[in-house]
Amino acid sequence: ELKVEQNPLFLSMQEGKNYTIYCNYSTTSDRLYWYRQDPGKSLESLFVLLSNGAVKQEGRLMASLDTKARLSTLHITAAVHDLSATYFCAVDGYNNAGNMLTFGGGTRLMVKP
Amino acid sequence: EAQVTQNPRYLITVTGKKLTVTCSQNMNHEYMSWYRQDPGLGLRQIYYSMNVEVTDKGDVPEGYKVSRKEKRNFPLILESPSPNQTSLYFCASSATLPYEQYFGPGTRLTVT
Repeated sequence: ELKVEQNPLFLSMQEGKNYTIYCNYSTTSDRLYWYRQDPGKSLESLFVLLSNGAVKQEGRLMASLDTKARLSTLHITAAVHDLSATYFCAVDGYNNAGNMLTFGGGTRLMVKP
Repeated sequence: EAQVTQNPRYLITVTGKKLTVTCSQNMNHEYMSWYRQDPGLGLRQIYYSMNVEVTDKGDVPEGYKVSRKEKRNFPLILESPSPNQTSLYFCASSATLPYEQYFGPGTRLTVT
C-alpha cells in the first residue's frame, strides 16, 4: 500500500524567511504532484514532477524530486503572506488495475507579516 | 472557460436517502476521479475512471458508486448515505499522462 507523508503538518513563519516542506512516499513512483488549497477553496495544481532529479520553480516556490530517496521537497524562498495556504503532495501509485493517486496529509502554511 | 463543475455545492440529507452528485468537465479529458476530504485525513480517492466505461476503485470506495457513460460526466452516487459519509467531495479531471488534475469547486455533504 502506498503511503505518503508530509512534514511538517503545520508551519507558521515570518515573512521573508525560507523554509522547506517534505514529502516522503513508501513505494516506487516517478510521478509526483504538488497542489495548493486556499481555505474554503478547491485545489490548484502547482507542479508536476516526472523524473528523478526534476526541479520546477514558480515565483518563490521550488519543487524537486528524488525518486531514489522517495522524497520530494517544496522550498519556499522569502515567504510572503499570499503564500498562506495548505499544500499537498500526491504520488501516483499502482493498484491491480492501473493507477491510483495518493495524497499526503497536507501542510498548512501561515505566513505572518 | 475550461472547468470542472459539480452540483450541488452544498447538500444536507438524511440517512438512507439516495443522492447523486454530478460532475462535468469541458476539457475533453480522459481521466476523471472523485475524492473526499476530511480533517486530519487529507484527500482520499474514492473512484477513478481512465476513460469511458472504465472505472476502478480508489482508496475508500465502500458506500459509493460511479458511472462513466460519456466522457464529460462522472456522477457520484450514494445509494444509502450514512453519517460517516459527511465530508467535502471533489471531482477532478485530467488528460492522459501526466495526471495534472483540475479540481471542481467541491460539494459539502452533510448526512444526518
